[in-house]
Parts: sequence; structure tokens; C-alpha cells
Amino acid sequence: AQSVAQPEDQVNVAEGNPLTVKCTYSVSGNPYLFWYVQYPNRGLQFLLKYITGDNLVKGSYGFEAEFNKSQTSFHLKKPSALVSDSALYFCAVAMIKAAGNKLTFGGGTRVLVKP
Amino acid sequence: DTEVTQTPKHLVMGMTNKKSLKCEQHMGHRAMYWYKQKAKKPPELMFVYSYEKLSINESVPSRFSPECPNSSLLNLHLHALQPEDSALYLCASSQELAGGTYEQYFGPGTRLTVT
Repeated sequence: AQSVAQPEDQVNVAEGNPLTVKCTYSVSGNPYLFWYVQYPNRGLQFLLKYITGDNLVKGSYGFEAEFNKSQTSFHLKKPSALVSDSALYFCAVAMIKAAGNKLTFGGGTRVLVKP
Repeated sequence: DTEVTQTPKHLVMGMTNKKSLKCEQHMGHRAMYWYKQKAKKPPELMFVYSYEKLSINESVPSRFSPECPNSSLLNLHLHALQPEDSALYLCASSQELAGGTYEQYFGPGTRLTVT
């Protein structure tokens, strides 16, 4: 069965410091990995995805993620965090089913960026 | 335009009421999704439509009834709900289902309270 784990419930970081949100996955076959962000009382916003190719994926709002096959990880990073980056972040893997596919989400990591 | 719209934003209904949630996208996407999200938890997939046909039903109780009238619209009909059905209901769309490589775009959600 495919699964995604986000080991940290919350990450605290000072504004201007690097931000890392961790994600590990377990899949059979090639992984299709995604990061989404959710602001309070809002839907999820797509940040970036890894399908194939370069292990370093660049996305929206200055975020990037590094795919590491040997460590089965897909950590989200931002070189310099902003207060406005405070939100709930979800890692997800696409599960291919006979009738289509679905996203399986990790439990989420709350990011708090302090001024 | 990468917008998915949902109406209403908030809904309060009694356990004997019948109501509907609506979702619309004009991105030409051929796959549409309903998710249920409890506070501080990841979204849980309920239904998937592909080319206006129900593709995946994640064993959702029959008091939830999805409908896809055309490629741009998705409805979720609600009847005889229980208080535990109170949640944020999210609609999403993606270009297609094939291969699991397409990101999903989410609407802002409908906050449902069942009294």
C-alpha cells in the first residue's frame, strides 16, 4: 500500500531563516509526489510536484523540494522563510487505481514563521 | 484561470434537511473530486469523476450523493446527515486522471455544520 509520512506536526522558524518540511513515502513503482499548502479556512494550493527527471523541483512562492530515492524522501524547502508562509503543509502521493487515481496525503505539518 | 469555485461558503443544516453543494471549474479539466476535511486533518477522498462518469467511490454513505451534470460542474447532494458529517468539503479538479501525474486544483471549500 502507498503511504506518506510527515514526521513533524509543527515546525517553528524565524523569518529569514531556511525552512524545511519533511516528507517520506512508501510506494510500489515510480512515485508521483506533490506538495500542497493550506491557509486557514481555505482550500489547498498546489506548490510543486515530482514526476520524473531532476531531483530538485522548483515550485511556487520560492519553494523547492528534493526527491531522494534512496532515502524515500521528498522534503520541502525554502531558503528564506516569510511570516506569510505560516500555514499547513501537506505532502501527497498519487496512487494509481484501476478506475483512476487518488491522492494520499500525509498528516500535515503546521509551519509557524515568527517575525 | 486556475480557479475552482464552490457554493455556498457556509452551510448549516438539520439532520432531516436536503441540501446541495456546488462546484464549478472552467479550466477544461476532465477529472473532478470531492474531499471531506476535518479540522487539522488531511483531506479524505470521497468521489472522483472522470469525463463526467463516476470513477471512484471511497465507500461513502449513501446520504452523500454526487452528480456531474457536465464537464464544468460537480454537485454533492446531502440528505439525512449526521452531526459527525460536519466538516470542510473541498472540490478539486485536474486535467485528467491518467497516470496520476496531474496536479489537482482545489476550491475554497464549503464549511458544513449539521445540527
